Amino acid sequence: DVKVTQSSRYLVKRTGEKVFLECVQDMDHENMFWYRQDPGLGLRLIYFSYDVKMKEKGDIPEGYSVSREKKERFSLILESASTNQTSMYLCASSSENVGGRASEQFFGPGTRLTVL
Amino acid sequence: AQKITQTQPGMFVQEKEAVTLDCTYDTSDQSYGLFWYKQPSSGEMIFLIYQGSYDEQNATEGRYSLNFQKARKSANLVISASQLGDSAMYFCAMRENSMADKLIFGTGTRLQVFP
Repeated sequence: DVKVTQSSRYLVKRTGEKVFLECVQDMDHENMFWYRQDPGLGLRLIYFSYDVKMKEKGDIPEGYSVSREKKERFSLILESASTNQTSMYLCASSSENVGGRASEQFFGPGTRLTVL
Repeated sequence: AQKITQTQPGMFVQEKEAVTLDCTYDTSDQSYGLFWYKQPSSGEMIFLIYQGSYDEQNATEGRYSLNFQKARKSANLVISASQLGDSAMYFCAMRENSMADKLIFGTGTRLQVFP
């Protein structure tokens, strides 16, 4: 089974702190994604990566950065946390498409971040 | 612009009954894929079912089926014989093949199954 793990289930930080959210997948997937989930807004894509050291902005990248030094690990960084970044953060991974069929994304359990 | 719309914020269904969760989408691509995910209270997103835009048959996975009406741009999820464990948030998502592997999600429908 695909396993996507996230470093913390719950995290409380103060405004202005630098925050690292870690995500690791064990299925050798090429693609990795970071989303945030807020009530009434669904999931919104922050950043994604197709390969090591590659990254692409999603729909809401402002205030975030990412790092992918190894294929299995994709980190989300909040350089200076703010209260409006209080949210649920979900990491996902997927393989490359095979035979024209889109590959599903496999999700981690999520990190609920509270910024005070 | 591509968009997924789920118009039902919440739905109730009695155990053992069938329920349909609505999803409409907007895209100018000819090639795309549609996904449904379930999110229980534990928070993890669980993949349920996939439908490709060129698939001629509606997708089915156990008690889940996807009512795909391409001309109407709808991809409704049908859950048959509901169980208490089906109570969760359900998200519809779309992947346009021209947009690589990005998924666009709807706002979700909260399903509650009662005895």
